[in-house]
Amino acid sequence: EAGVVQSPRYKIIEKKQPVAFWCNPISGHNTLYWYRQNLGQGPELLIRYENEEAVDDSQLPKDRFSAERLKGVDSTLKIQPAELGDSAVYLCASSLAGEYTGELFFGEGSRLTVL
Amino acid sequence: GENVEQHPSTLSVQEGDSAVIKCTYSDSASNYFPWYKQELGKGPQLIIDIRSNVGEKKDQRIAVTLNKTAKHFSLHITETQPEDSAVYFCAASINTGFQKLVFGTGTRLLVSP
Repeated sequence: EAGVVQSPRYKIIEKKQPVAFWCNPISGHNTLYWYRQNLGQGPELLIRYENEEAVDDSQLPKDRFSAERLKGVDSTLKIQPAELGDSAVYLCASSLAGEYTGELFFGEGSRLTVL
Repeated sequence: GENVEQHPSTLSVQEGDSAVIKCTYSDSASNYFPWYKQELGKGPQLIIDIRSNVGEKKDQRIAVTLNKTAKHFSLHITETQPEDSAVYFCAASINTGFQKLVFGTGTRLLVSP
């Protein structure tokens, strides 16, 4: 069975440019997470979806970040405009709904470099 | 909110030695403590977890211990192998009806042959 798929794996952009990341979770996983991982740090939650609903976006910088999960499957995370401090790895993860102690399955991440 | 501290940041051992990574958490309401392994260029992968009603859990060469009173938990790897080399993250979560993990800052483990 395929794991969590993310694209692109790498993205280099100039500051003030927009960028978007795409995630396809494991089939049957209703819960989807976007994490940001800065260099040498642990992942930090940006937003969590239960199906189509964003149930926790308290850590998402809403002035420049947006996310959507249409039809409750794939998700897109967008940054517009990007700033130098947004350089990081953006990780998508999924899990079975309703399992607060369930395993998170992470994708390989999208590494963003903002110049 | 929850804060998880992890140490050491780097750990070098010889193949066959044991490795211990320690974490402390701040919120006494946390009740779920997973450990994730992240290899270079990959996403984190769950290797073991423990719930607050258990003091110790073992799975082959890895074990996790939890001290709720002191609010710390540890990962123990015995008979280390070169393929154990990776970054290890501890995390803590409170039961709010959904999983909101707070990760530590990671420990880079290097196992030399």
